[in-house]
Amino acid sequence: AAGVIQSPRHLIKEKRETATLKCYPIPRHDTVYWYQQGPGQDPQFLISFYEKMQSDKGSIPDRFSAQQFSDYHSELNMSSLELGDSALYFCASSARGFGAFFGQGTRLTVV
Amino acid sequence: DQQVKQNSPSLSVQEGRISILNCDYTNSMFDYFLWYKKYPAEGPTFLISISSIKDKNEDGRFTVFLNKSAKHLSLHIVPSQPGDSAVYFCAASAQRSRNTGKLIFGQGTTLQVKP
Repeated sequence: AAGVIQSPRHLIKEKRETATLKCYPIPRHDTVYWYQQGPGQDPQFLISFYEKMQSDKGSIPDRFSAQQFSDYHSELNMSSLELGDSALYFCASSARGFGAFFGQGTRLTVV
Repeated sequence: DQQVKQNSPSLSVQEGRISILNCDYTNSMFDYFLWYKKYPAEGPTFLISISSIKDKNEDGRFTVFLNKSAKHLSLHIVPSQPGDSAVYFCAASAQRSRNTGKLIFGQGTTLQVKP
């Protein structure tokens, strides 16, 4: 069965650079979520989209933005990267908000 | 403010025995609860869920119990297998408020099943 696809799996950026993470949800899922998991921490909700509209916002820095496109894939854009942005970034998708299936994640390292 | 709490950072059990992972929540709006299993550097894998209209849900070796009055849920794994060794996250969402079902995670419990 198709799962949530995230790309890239690994990304190394320098401070103050920009990064773009991509997420392709499970087909026919209407909601996409982005989570950030720092070392030794639980996943923290960043932002979600329902039918291509932003539906909820969590602890997402102003330097970050996200959108969902007409084909339902989503991109998380991160600018002016800081060392503290180094983390695993997970995308998840769900159908009508019931449960969420996660992708493999993107490991972002800021040096 | 940790709305979902897993107070045991780790748990070690013998193969074949029962593993019981606990989770407490504070937000009475939560009405849908899930358990995820996670290996290092991988995404959480959905295991089992329960709606607040039920107090038990079973799927193979995994059973989730919900005690709404105590705002407590637990995951039972019987029998435990070495391949179950992973970090287990409890998560909760509030479907009624239709906030798109964003999940709030607990801190995770590392389960080690010894052969």
